[in-house]
Amino acid sequence: DAGVIQSPRHEVTEMGQEVTLRCKPISGHDYLFWYRQTMMRGLELLIYFNNNVPIDDSGMPEDRFSAKMPNASFSTLKIQPSEPRDSAVYFCASSFRGLAFFGQGTRLTVV
Amino acid sequence: AQRVTQPEKLLSVFKGAPVELKCNYSYSGSPELFWYVQYSRQRLQLLLRHISRESIKGFTADLNKGETSFHLKKPFAQEEDSAMYYCALHPYNAGGTSYGKLTFGQGTILTVHP
Repeated sequence: DAGVIQSPRHEVTEMGQEVTLRCKPISGHDYLFWYRQTMMRGLELLIYFNNNVPIDDSGMPEDRFSAKMPNASFSTLKIQPSEPRDSAVYFCASSFRGLAFFGQGTRLTVV
Repeated sequence: AQRVTQPEKLLSVFKGAPVELKCNYSYSGSPELFWYVQYSRQRLQLLLRHISRESIKGFTADLNKGETSFHLKKPFAQEEDSAMYYCALHPYNAGGTSYGKLTFGQGTILTVHP
């Protein structure tokens, strides 16, 4: 298995544009997490899914953020409209029995 | 609700010195604790899990349920240990059912000077 795969690795967009981040979890993992990492706030849990069902989205900062997991092998995190304060590294992770593996992250810059 | 606290945001030591990264947690059930490491601009990767009771790259961590701590230790730090370290908690209830939510501390940036 290639591990958790995220795309794109880097994204630069203008304020107000829609941004979609993608994640392919490890096959067989039943949990998927989206985290945001910044220097100020560290690693924040945005939302997580269990068997494709969203369980807790209390970490999603605003209605501008949404996440979906249409099937066991794909998830998206969408920001619409994007703002400069959304600039961060976004990590996706998948886990099985508590053991989590992370993707390489997407470095988002909103100008 | 569970919480993980890493009291030190920055920690600097010299090569060859002992290092201890602190982690305290709060959770009413039986947690599983982990340490993850993130080298510069790389993904987070698992370093240790408490149920394994093993030493990885010279690091060890013991779960102290009385003090609700899971401190990470290494007797002789190396320059290549410089990284961000995250402590994480995975909750289980009394019946042994996983809640799935993996909660991280704020992280500690370790710098090992030559």
